[in-house]
Amino acid sequence: GQQLNQSPQSMFIQEGEDVSMNCTSSSIFNTWLWYKQDPGEGPVLLIALYKAGELTSNGRLTAQFGITRKDSFLNISASIPSDVGIYFCAGQSYNNNDMRFGAGTRLTVKP
Amino acid sequence: EAGVAQSPRYKIIEKRQSVAFWCNPISGHATLYWYQQILGQGPKLLIQFQNNGVVDDSQLPKDRFSAERLKGVDSTLKIQPAKLEDSAVYLCASSPDRIYGYTFGSGTRLTVV
Repeated sequence: GQQLNQSPQSMFIQEGEDVSMNCTSSSIFNTWLWYKQDPGEGPVLLIALYKAGELTSNGRLTAQFGITRKDSFLNISASIPSDVGIYFCAGQSYNNNDMRFGAGTRLTVKP
Repeated sequence: EAGVAQSPRYKIIEKRQSVAFWCNPISGHATLYWYQQILGQGPKLLIQFQNNGVVDDSQLPKDRFSAERLKGVDSTLKIQPAKLEDSAVYLCASSPDRIYGYTFGSGTRLTVV
């Protein structure tokens, strides 16, 4: 099956710093998505990308759909304490109807 | 718009017992998913419904797991008998179609002892 490799596994940063995390796949995806999960809650969609090369922003978040369609990255600028959580990448192809998730990046922001 | 509702929030059972989870998707969402999220991992798809028909259940352990979506709205996921390794958060998600990002419920945290 399709494997998603997400890195880094965890990050500890100071408030105000920028953050970058990425996801690579052994297979091509038609859609890349980035989710954030807070403790005790389900994942919440942050950004969805539908075309290779697409660069999309949502406030302080920016994500890109890699040209090869096998990778994506998420950047968070000027981090704040409420950015703490686990960030998941997910890929979806038209052949497989479901989304495949990475293992997550656990972000800790120190005030 | 109301979100995806799941119940119960928490459940503790002994191994070999049975358990059922309930999900009410966002109104009008045709597609419904059940995911299993083991601690420290990303969600893994168990089953996908389109209206009341099963689209993909290839990763559902059918010897012990079953799911149904009557009338194309609410869904239940059942485990019988439960094993220790079934301890996880069970997430329900819904989507208006199969292409775009899903909306997840808060999940049911199952502990099998």
